[in-house]
Amino acid sequence: AQTVTQSQPEMSVQEAETVTLSCTYDTSESDYYLFWYKQPPSRQMILVIRQEAYKQQNATENRFSVNFQKAAKSFSLKISDSQLGDAAMYFCAYRSGGINAGGTSYGKLTFGQGTILTVHP
Amino acid sequence: EAQVTQNPRYLITVTGKKLTVTCSQNMNHEYMSWYRQDPGLGLRQIYYSMNVEVTDKGDVPEGYKVSRKEKRNFPLILESPSPNQTSLYFCASSLSWGSYEQYFGPGTRLTVT
Repeated sequence: AQTVTQSQPEMSVQEAETVTLSCTYDTSESDYYLFWYKQPPSRQMILVIRQEAYKQQNATENRFSVNFQKAAKSFSLKISDSQLGDAAMYFCAYRSGGINAGGTSYGKLTFGQGTILTVHP
Repeated sequence: EAQVTQNPRYLITVTGKKLTVTCSQNMNHEYMSWYRQDPGLGLRQIYYSMNVEVTDKGDVPEGYKVSRKEKRNFPLILESPSPNQTSLYFCASSLSWGSYEQYFGPGTRLTVT
């Protein structure tokens, strides 16, 4: 079974600075997708960025970028020019690109434990 | 507006009293699923549905039931809730199981005393 680990329960950053959130995963699959979700105090789950495992280029969305190290099974999120609105819980998530032998992986997102990000003005 | 709605948003109930959390999407999505969020554990999948009348267990299905009689609706049923089902519940949907993005509902905070 796949597992996702976020080893930083909490992180903090000064406004306008850069912060990196860590995520590692374990899988024997070659076809998969990785995601970062943001959960602000409203509890809404918001997709921040995604990465296809078959792509070598790291995904970027405005101030958000990832460092995808496939061999090391690492998927960190870098937030540049941090803003007060970035304060939230961030979840790393994994989804299989196919169907596992048991056929039980249809669309399932496997989440990490989450990292609470505090942004100081 | 394309969205996933859940009701109720907050619910406090007592052990053993049957309850249903509704989930509805207006995007004609085939795939729907339920997750629960607990501190230190992230979100875990409870059940999922590939399409109408097709449902299957996720990682933590014990104590829950689901049904998918219509494409837009995917209710979560707790027939005899227990305190260990106190959690934050999310419904999610996507066009198909392989779609890049899953759309999440606003969450339902359930407390079982």
